[in-house]
This record gives sequence, C-alpha cells and structure tokens, in this order.
Amino acid sequence: DVVMTQSPLSLPVTLGQPASISCRSSQSLVHSDGSTYLHWFQQRPGQSPRRLIYKVSNRDSGVPDRFSGSGSGTDFTLKISRVEAEDVGVYYCIQGTHWPNTFGQGTKLEIK
Amino acid sequence: QVQLVESGGGLVKPGGSLRLSCAASGFTFSDFDMNWIRQPPGKGLEWVSYSSPSGNIYYADSVRGRFTISRDNAKNSLYLQMNSLRVEDTAVYYCTRGWYANWGQGTLVTVSS
Repeated sequence: DVVMTQSPLSLPVTLGQPASISCRSSQSLVHSDGSTYLHWFQQRPGQSPRRLIYKVSNRDSGVPDRFSGSGSGTDFTLKISRVEAEDVGVYYCIQGTHWPNTFGQGTKLEIK
Repeated sequence: QVQLVESGGGLVKPGGSLRLSCAASGFTFSDFDMNWIRQPPGKGLEWVSYSSPSGNIYYADSVRGRFTISRDNAKNSLYLQMNSLRVEDTAVYYCTRGWYANWGQGTLVTVSS
C-alpha cells in the first residue's frame, strides 16, 4: 500500500501568518493516464471533511483563494497564505492513484 | 445541490451485522464513483470501499471478506453490508461522491459487548 506521510502533525499558527503542510507518498502518484490524484481536505471540529483541493492544485468551488496546493511525483504541499480563525481544524491528504486509496495521518492546525 | 444522507448505524455486538445506506440526491447517481470512508472516534480517516458505475469494486484489506458494497441506481442509493463486526470497526462511516468531492454527515457504528 502507498504510505502517505504528513508533516507537521501539529501546526500552531498566528492569525494572519502563512501555514504550510507537507504530504509525501511512498511511491509516485502519477497515474498511467498522466494525472496525479492527490487531494486535500479540511475537517473543522464536529464537521464532516470537506475537499479543498483536487488533483494537486485545483481549488474547489467556494474555497478561499488563500488556500493553494502544489507538488509533483511524491512530494506535495498545501499552503494557506494568511491563516484565519475559521481555518482551525485537521487537514488530510489522500492519494487516489493507487488502490487502496490512502490518507495521511492528518495535521491539526490551531491558532497560537 | 448534491446531498448524501447516511443511515443505518447503531450499537451492535462483536460478530454482529449492520447494513448502512446512503441516499443520494442532486446529481445523476448512476454516473458517479462512490466510496465509503470511516473515522474511528478521535482518529483519522480510513478509506473502506469503492463502487464504480461500471461495476468495479475495491475493499480495504481490513474489511475484505466481511463487508460488501452495493448500489441501487434506481433508488439513488449506496449500501454497505457489514458482517462479522469487530470492536475495531467502531467509527463514523461516511459516503462520498467521485474524487471525494462531497461527503454526508456520517453515521456512527459502535461495536461493543
């Protein structure tokens, strides 16, 4: 199975400051069709997860443009340009290239 | 708008069975891949099972042989039949659409004696 490793696991951030979460895979996430199926989710306390970014860098509808995704191959990053209070929660990456699809462990973002 | 509503969770003894349902609306259900994801209390997300419109099905190793995913396109519904339940299957179970674009509110399954 593909192992997804997120870092850091805990991320205290001052309001208005940037934040960055890394997600590394144990093998390339480039599919035979040429696409890279790496997606990012936010789970606010008490809520269901919500997809923020799909296929590495495509922002979902309604997601603020302070969220961005980048990366290739085995190394991916979610960035928040300026953290707001509503960004508190746990962030997960998932690879959808290989079966079984696998999630990262989650990164808990809190306000410092 | 897309809506996914899970039901069927509850308290069951180890070795017992449950059938989860996911009622879908707001999109053409028969056109979309669907997945079940679970989350044990206070822990992270785990992919459980996948169903494609063409009939492809996949399972996580942890549930293969015990869980069965199915879909009824006429009823716009996704199901998860869970047999031989174990304590470690305790989790909130979510159904999701496509590349996990949409999630339901989840249904809690508790396996305990």
